[in-house]
Amino acid sequence: QKEVEQDPGPLSVPEGAIVSLNCTYSNSAFQYFMWYRQYSRKGPELLMYTYSSGNKEDGRFTAQVDKSSKYISLFIRDSQPSDSATYLCAMAPRGSQGNLIFGKGTKLSVKP
Amino acid sequence: NAGVTQTPKFQVLKTGQSMTLQCAQDMNHNSMYWYRQDPGMGLRLIYYSASEGTTDKGEVPNGYNVSRLNKREFSLRLESAAPSQTSVYFCASSYRVLLEAFFGQGTRLTVV
Repeated sequence: QKEVEQDPGPLSVPEGAIVSLNCTYSNSAFQYFMWYRQYSRKGPELLMYTYSSGNKEDGRFTAQVDKSSKYISLFIRDSQPSDSATYLCAMAPRGSQGNLIFGKGTKLSVKP
Repeated sequence: NAGVTQTPKFQVLKTGQSMTLQCAQDMNHNSMYWYRQDPGMGLRLIYYSASEGTTDKGEVPNGYNVSRLNKREFSLRLESAAPSQTSVYFCASSYRVLLEAFFGQGTRLTVV
């Protein structure tokens, strides 16, 4: 079993929809959880960063971490065509010196 | 402010040839990373440098060497390129390990 599992999609939604993106993980030592957005032929850019459990909101984006279920989610409200990209989850254990473990990414398409 | 700059953007190598991928950041970050991204595999860490003067292996270091030339620059060298090293290579940097990592635009390498 991979340490981080992420459904690759593709996921297609109409503009204005609420999008839910998810990752599961197996390593209970993971403490740092991140979501990156990657546009085609570009480098990833950090969207959300969470330490340990809980929710974090930033504009239309909400990140949730459920450590008891080893499950993290990213919600996008009022999705826009400009949100069309690949979304990567990433995580690392406390004390890690830099080795982020990435999911394979979910490709999202928001149709006008 | 350029952020993370990678050169070259594209490269085609013949099997057995060597080359160095260059990365420079202008954000005064302490930590730098090299990742490769392959279809269906996600981002995988090759090497990282937690601070100037230190380098450590990541998940997939075989066939690569790195040099942290100074605080700004972190290069990745392929001594004898193999077709399995065909990939998109990303350099990233962060102020400290596990804090927000900024990625470059990538180098698309093809080994024939």
